[in-house]
Amino acid sequence: GAGVSQSPSNKVTEKGKDVELRCDPISGHTALYWYRQSLGQGLEFLIYFQGNSAPDKSGLPSDRFSAERTGGSVSTLTIQRTQQEDSAVYLCASSLGISGDTQYFGPGTRLTVL
Amino acid sequence: GNSVTQMEGPVTLSEEAFLTINCTYTATGYPSLFWYVQYPGEGLQLLLKATKADDKGSNKGFEATYRKETTSFHLEKGSVQVSDSAVYFCALYTGGFKTIFGAGTRLFVKA
Repeated sequence: GAGVSQSPSNKVTEKGKDVELRCDPISGHTALYWYRQSLGQGLEFLIYFQGNSAPDKSGLPSDRFSAERTGGSVSTLTIQRTQQEDSAVYLCASSLGISGDTQYFGPGTRLTVL
Repeated sequence: GNSVTQMEGPVTLSEEAFLTINCTYTATGYPSLFWYVQYPGEGLQLLLKATKADDKGSNKGFEATYRKETTSFHLEKGSVQVSDSAVYFCALYTGGFKTIFGAGTRLFVKA
């Protein structure tokens, strides 16, 4: 079946612009995660959605970052007034949402802020 | 708090060499432990996992044993190939929602 997909695969934007990154999780997966991977760094947790529960936003680095998940499926990560330090690969993952389960990752969106 | 520490890279090996990538963790309770791999230009994918002490996860010739006494989950492979060149992430899951990932170890295998 289809895996996690993300779009766009690459995004180049100018400092100060807003960007939207999209994630389509695996059908039936109730849990969805966003991570940021900066060059040479590990994964930085950003936000987590589980079913209809309120999302855990504890990893969002600033109030310029927000995310929503519509209908329990597609998710959009929005970065307002982008800064150069926002340049990174943004990874989305989904899982069945049960204890100890595996996360399935999308290929990521590479964001470059000029 | 919960954390994962893995050896810094990059690790450079010749083909057919033995590989060990160390991973230790700090966690309350009884976490599940994972190794994920990220090949160049791709997203992370699960390599192997272990859900309880003394379990051994294995896949594609890679193995890791969940050692509660040493809080470790070291990744090993007896004979690496060029195609194993990737970044390897150790991770732990303690329940709830959040999986904690290590910083990743980049492996280069030379022909």
